[in-house]
This record gives sequence, structure tokens and C-alpha cells, in this order.
Amino acid sequence: AQSVSQHNHHVILSEAASLELGCNYSYGGTVNLFWYVQYPGQHLQLLLKYFSGDPLVKGIKGFEAEFIKSKFSFNLRKPSVQWSDTAEYFCAVRANRDDKIIFGKGTRLHILP
Amino acid sequence: GAVVSQHPSWVICKSGTSVKIECRSLDFQATTMFWYRQFPKQSLMLMATSNEGSKATYEQGVEKDKFLINHASLTLSTLTVTSAHPEDSSFYICSASPRDRKNIQYFGAGTRLSVL
Repeated sequence: AQSVSQHNHHVILSEAASLELGCNYSYGGTVNLFWYVQYPGQHLQLLLKYFSGDPLVKGIKGFEAEFIKSKFSFNLRKPSVQWSDTAEYFCAVRANRDDKIIFGKGTRLHILP
Repeated sequence: GAVVSQHPSWVICKSGTSVKIECRSLDFQATTMFWYRQFPKQSLMLMATSNEGSKATYEQGVEKDKFLINHASLTLSTLTVTSAHPEDSSFYICSASPRDRKNIQYFGAGTRLSVL
């Protein structure tokens, strides 16, 4: 069965700093990969997803993620964070043949103004 | 964009009572809906996958008699927490996949259940 590991439980950055949140998954076959964001008091929103093709995926709000198959990784990046990026970020994976999406434990990101 | 609505957003009940949570896809038909549970400061744990017109598929460790799921139509799935106890207090979230875009899940805002 697939699983997802997020490296950092809590990250604190100053505005304009660069961000990279780590995500590794375990599954030997073809996968779909996702990053979701949950802003305080709001529901989950899809940031970006990878199904196939270009392994560098661009999402909303300036976020991007790179799928590195050899490392089973799908790290989320943003070159310059803003205070409004304060939220919890979840990496998720789905085996291509399955309907289920499995979530990582989440990374709480706090941006200092 | 596709909207998934959950109702109620917050429910408080006495121990031993049953609570029903609704999940509706407002502007699309969803052949598959998913129910998740989220404990404070933790990730979403998939409880079950609900397919319209058939029995739900429960994840290991989830009691099917405790968490009854009904997916009676292409736009509605319900989760009933039977004989709720304080340990059932949690945040329950549903998601739905459009029948023509099964690779995508849209999430509801969640239902906070507090059992006294």
C-alpha cells in the first residue's frame, strides 16, 4: 500500500524567504501526486497536481513542485513566501489504479510578517 | 468550480445519540465520494470510499456498523455516526470526484462533531 511522508511538521519563515517542503512517497507503480493547502478556518484546496508529463508542475499562488521518480519525491517550492501563505500543507498520493488518496501528516507553515 | 457542501458544519450531541452528516456535490454528479476524519493537528485519515448505488468500502480499522455510509444518489452521500461517544469527537471531511473527471477530488468544508 502507498504511504506519504512529510519531513517537517512545523516550519517558520520570514516574508520573502524561499520555501521548500519535502514529501516522499512509497509505491512502486505509477502514481498521481497532489499538494493541498488548508488556510486557517477554511477547507482543503488543491494547490497543484502531477499526473504525467513535465515533472515540474506549477500551481496556484506561485507554488511549484517537482516530481523526481528516482527519489520518490514531490517537494513543494515557492521562491518568495508571503504572510498570506500561512497555512497547513498536505502532500498526497494516489496509486494510478486506485481511487483512494493517501495524505501525509501535513506541514504547518507560519510566515512572520 | 465544483462545489462540495457539507451539513452541518458543527454539531454537538450527547453520548449515545446518532448523528447524520450530509455531503452534497452542488454542481456536478459524483459517482465516488470519500469520507475522511481529521484529529487535531493531524492529517486526514481516509475512513471509507462511497460509490453511488453500492456498499461503501471501509478502510482497515474503521467500524462499518459504527460509521454508516449511504450514497443514495449521484449528488448525496451521508455518514451516520451511530451511538456516538466522546472519542468520536473529530472533524469529518468528505470529498467527491466528478463522474467525468475521476482523477480529481473536491473537498467539503468539514463537519466538527463534539460528543459530550
